[in-house]
Amino acid sequence: DAGVIQSPRHEVTEMGQEVTLRCKPISGHDYLFWYRQTMMRGLELLIYFNNNVPIDDSGMPEDRFSAKMPNASFSTLKIQPSEPRDSAVYFCASSFTGPNTEAFFGQGTRLTVV
Amino acid sequence: DQQVKQNSPSLSVQEGRISILNCDYTNSMFDYFLWYKKYPAEGPTFLISISSIKDKNEDGRFTVFLNKSAKHLSLHIVPSQPGDSAVYFCAARVNQGAQKLVFGQGTRLTINP
Repeated sequence: DAGVIQSPRHEVTEMGQEVTLRCKPISGHDYLFWYRQTMMRGLELLIYFNNNVPIDDSGMPEDRFSAKMPNASFSTLKIQPSEPRDSAVYFCASSFTGPNTEAFFGQGTRLTVV
Repeated sequence: DQQVKQNSPSLSVQEGRISILNCDYTNSMFDYFLWYKKYPAEGPTFLISISSIKDKNEDGRFTVFLNKSAKHLSLHIVPSQPGDSAVYFCAARVNQGAQKLVFGQGTRLTINP
């Protein structure tokens, strides 16, 4: 298995532009998570899905952020409009239901908003 | 509200010595704890875990200790090797049904030759 695949790896955009981050989870995993890494808060959970349904989006910072999972093999995180403070590394992770299972992470998307 | 805290942003250890990374948590409902390791420009990778019903789990050079009464978790690496230099994240799961992991801020470990 190729693991969790994220694209793009790097994104540089101007303030006010729409940004879309993409994720393909590991096949067979029924949970998908979006995290944001910052120096102050480490890995923050933004939103997660179970069987393509959003379960908890309490970590989404503002209405400018939205996430979708149209099918079991694809998810997007969109920021519209983007702001410089959104600059961070965004990770997607997936896991499967089980008593003691870990989440597998993608390589992340480094977003820079100028 | 930071439910999982790693109070040491960085740690420097001599090669061959023991590295001890610490983590504190506030939510008594956490039932499963994990450590992840992260190299630059890569995603975090799973290292070792422990269930709340245990107090120790060992895997080679890595041992995780859980003190539930103190709400404290630690990762011991012995002996430390240069390849262990990375950022280490502590994580906790609220309950089995949710599968939601809450992470700490991370500790940057540097192993000096």
